[in-house]
Amino acid sequence: EAQVTQNPRYLITVTGKKLTVTCSQNMNHEYMSWYRQDPGLGLRQIYYSMNVEVTDKGDVPEGYKVSRKEKRNFPLILESPSPNQTSLYFCASSGTGGGWQETQYFGPGTRLLVL
Amino acid sequence: GESVGLHLPTLSVQEGDNSIINCAYSNSASDYFIWYKQESGKGPQFIIDIRSNMDKRQGQRVTVLLNKTVKHLSLQIAATQPGDSAVYFCAERLRGKLIFGQGTELSVKP
Repeated sequence: EAQVTQNPRYLITVTGKKLTVTCSQNMNHEYMSWYRQDPGLGLRQIYYSMNVEVTDKGDVPEGYKVSRKEKRNFPLILESPSPNQTSLYFCASSGTGGGWQETQYFGPGTRLLVL
Repeated sequence: GESVGLHLPTLSVQEGDNSIINCAYSNSASDYFIWYKQESGKGPQFIIDIRSNMDKRQGQRVTVLLNKTVKHLSLQIAATQPGDSAVYFCAERLRGKLIFGQGTELSVKP
């Protein structure tokens, strides 16, 4: 089954404790992206990757890092989480840079609470 | 501090009726638009898309209309079913980047 998986699905942590949210897709997609979803603000892009070893900042990259060492994986790293990073996070992938007729497939989401 | 939840616009329809969900987009240079459905506890799911050189596109039970003059996008769902209950939001693509709207909550009454 074609899918995007994220782990963990739920995470409670404390300020300053480094964490990684993993994202993996089995569709051989070039394009992958991370979003956060907050009430009243919709989905906002954090980082995206057009292909292996190619990453770029989205709209809200501060406090996050990503890496794309393999095509299927795109982990999101919070080196020193803060309470304002409490949010619902989604990973997404698509086949040709998120372009026309290429559906973006979203993962199930990771709900993060930073105390 | 105490936070106040922000409520999404809500559309309530009777099962079997047609639904129309509207979206105002912000950039006249946007070249591509998508409608997503997000059920509670799940990630957004692609429904239908449309390019800026079109004004209508139909899928299975869904139709998207694009009015570039007033920068308006709508999603029409025919014969709405309880399984259509979800948050629906549009996205516009501007210079390769997707910008998402906040969404409308569709509630289907049996």
